[in-house]
Amino acid sequence: GQNIDQPTEMTATEGAIVQINCTYQTSGFNGLFWYQQHAGEAPTFLSYNVLDGLEEKGRFSSFLSRSKGYSYLLLKELQMKDSASYLCAVMDSNYQLIWGAGTKLIIKP
Amino acid sequence: GAVVSQHPSRVICKSGTSVKIECRSLDFQATTMFWYRQFPKQSLMLMATSNEGSKATYEQGVEKDKFLINHASLTLSTLTVTSAHPEDSSFYICSATQGPPSPLHFGNGTRLTVT
Repeated sequence: GQNIDQPTEMTATEGAIVQINCTYQTSGFNGLFWYQQHAGEAPTFLSYNVLDGLEEKGRFSSFLSRSKGYSYLLLKELQMKDSASYLCAVMDSNYQLIWGAGTKLIIKP
Repeated sequence: GAVVSQHPSRVICKSGTSVKIECRSLDFQATTMFWYRQFPKQSLMLMATSNEGSKATYEQGVEKDKFLINHASLTLSTLTVTSAHPEDSSFYICSATQGPPSPLHFGNGTRLTVT
């Protein structure tokens, strides 16, 4: 079967750095996406990785290792507004998105 | 760019009535649109995938006669919840893509409450 694993919940301190991991097993791979979802709102697109390596976008970076079936989202200089759920999703060989359950990130002052 | 508009954002209806939710891609042509449902503190659940001009593909356990999906153009898809019941109360979210490997872009969601 296909599955995406990510931690259920993480806690970090304002101003710090946090890394949210995602491992996947899917039938084929056409890219990995990270989305941010605030409570009661729809997800918003953060990043897309299809090649190995690190993609940096401001305070957020995303890393991919296809051979390990592994990705992480790195958030720097955490702000209170970063408190949200972070969803990892993989596009399989049929171009269908397989979603992880999301990681709830709690930022403390 | 890549804006998806969904409305209404919130609707309250009586049990037995039908509700239509619209999803529009404003600045791109969406070859595929997806409809999700999300219950409080739970993951996104894909309900159906629709491609312009063809019948929607429903996920297992989703009643196609209850959740009618129409994707009449490359910029508009609608979801109609027919004969709504209180257990249909949920957060419904649409998303659209220009086609792989473009990302999904989500509408703001519709919070449906059936009384």
